[in-house]
Amino acid sequence: QVQLVESGGGVVQPGRSLRLSCAASGFTFSSYGMHWVRQAPGKGLEWVAVIWYDGSNKYYADSVKGRFTISRDNSKNTLYLQMNSLRAEDTAVYYCARDLYDFWSGYPRGVFDYWGQGTLVTVSS
Amino acid sequence: EIVMTQSPATLSVSPGERATLSCRASQSVSSNLAWYQQKPGQAPRLLIYGASTRATGIPARFSGSGSGTEFTLTISSLQSEDFAVYYCQQYNNWPPRTFGQGTKVEIK
Repeated sequence: QVQLVESGGGVVQPGRSLRLSCAASGFTFSSYGMHWVRQAPGKGLEWVAVIWYDGSNKYYADSVKGRFTISRDNSKNTLYLQMNSLRAEDTAVYYCARDLYDFWSGYPRGVFDYWGQGTLVTVSS
Repeated sequence: EIVMTQSPATLSVSPGERATLSCRASQSVSSNLAWYQQKPGQAPRLLIYGASTRATGIPARFSGSGSGTEFTLTISSLQSEDFAVYYCQQYNNWPPRTFGQGTKVEIK
């Protein structure tokens, strides 16, 4: 069965960096676009970033552009999110999510069919 | 950026009754609209995509309709496990992908 397991969250000071990981199993990781979606405490969902199945395209939300970098290692079935220059407003549970549409469907559309359990990032001094 | 607006913010419904949730897009998203369910402490779950296609394993009591800028999620007969927060989300053009602010369905 499809499993996505995030790690790397924690408490970090403003301006510092953190790298999140998402270990995938139960499907052909290299065939799917992958996303990060976050949720601030008590708030709604915010899409953060997407990476194409082969890493050839990446898009970011304006709120993180220039500070966050999404990447993947298909040999390790792992998705990453490098977060630099962290701000208090980045405090959230970060979920990795698989795109519904695989390589054979053309390109990721941004429909999230499997989600990890989330990892909490707290930015505070 | 396309803004998604959900109404109402909270919906109080008795078990067995029908629930109707609305979602409006600030510009047309065609049928590129998904619905998710989220329970406290859990990750969201995909219910509907393509405005009306149920995701794998989703019961038939969940149905979606609409196109363009107006969409509806209907739960035909609410079960105890359906009380949750529901989000709509558009996926029309990259980037970004945007969610509505959510509708909480609570027990009346």
